Amino acid sequence: EADIYQTPRYLVIGTGKKITLECSQTMGHDKMYWYQQDPGMELHLIHYSYGVNSTEKGDLSSESTVSRIRTEHFPLTLESARPSHTSQYLCASSESGLPSYNEQFFGPGTRLTVL
Amino acid sequence: KNQVEQSPQSLIILEGKNCTLQCNYTVSPFSNLRWYKQDTGRGPVSLTIMTFSENTKSNRRYTATLDADTKQSSLHITASQLSDSASYICVVSDRGSTLGRLYFGRGTQLTVWP
Repeated sequence: EADIYQTPRYLVIGTGKKITLECSQTMGHDKMYWYQQDPGMELHLIHYSYGVNSTEKGDLSSESTVSRIRTEHFPLTLESARPSHTSQYLCASSESGLPSYNEQFFGPGTRLTVL
Repeated sequence: KNQVEQSPQSLIILEGKNCTLQCNYTVSPFSNLRWYKQDTGRGPVSLTIMTFSENTKSNRRYTATLDADTKQSSLHITASQLSDSASYICVVSDRGSTLGRLYFGRGTQLTVWP
């Protein structure tokens, strides 16, 4: 099982609250990713990072922001949560090197519900 | 447009039976194809990876096939168990980006009944 952790696993909050979803990995991977997944739908890449101090937006536009101050840590923040942010958020990491062959290891996900 | 289509959307089988899941893709240039298993409320876990030159690969009771000419893959599950109940996601990687971008299917939701 991959050593990548996400907290909290479940979160129910009210509209307008600021939240941070935590993601940590102990594999020393340089690349990290955040995906959003709705029930029965494919994963969509919302943020990624090549390494410390590197962050990029993914394919799906998201109002969230990320930071990468340490290799092992890649938190995602929503400044003001809205019901449209209700979804499952999955964090992943992979090694550097030939990118297309590197397996992405996924965390267990955070199920976010905004009321 | 790079896409990954899976069928069926959902499948119910009895314990001990076999089943086959399908994946068609249009991702180009193709690098590799993975099948992931995602249990409810968990992150996906890789089952197999296949490159352009491979046409079959097995992992315990899972056997994946790849036809790179027709851009089709299948995942065959033998002697299903209750623990096989999960979503099976086909993921295709292209070799045209430095990120190693992944293209995800929507998954086949498999339910195994006793």
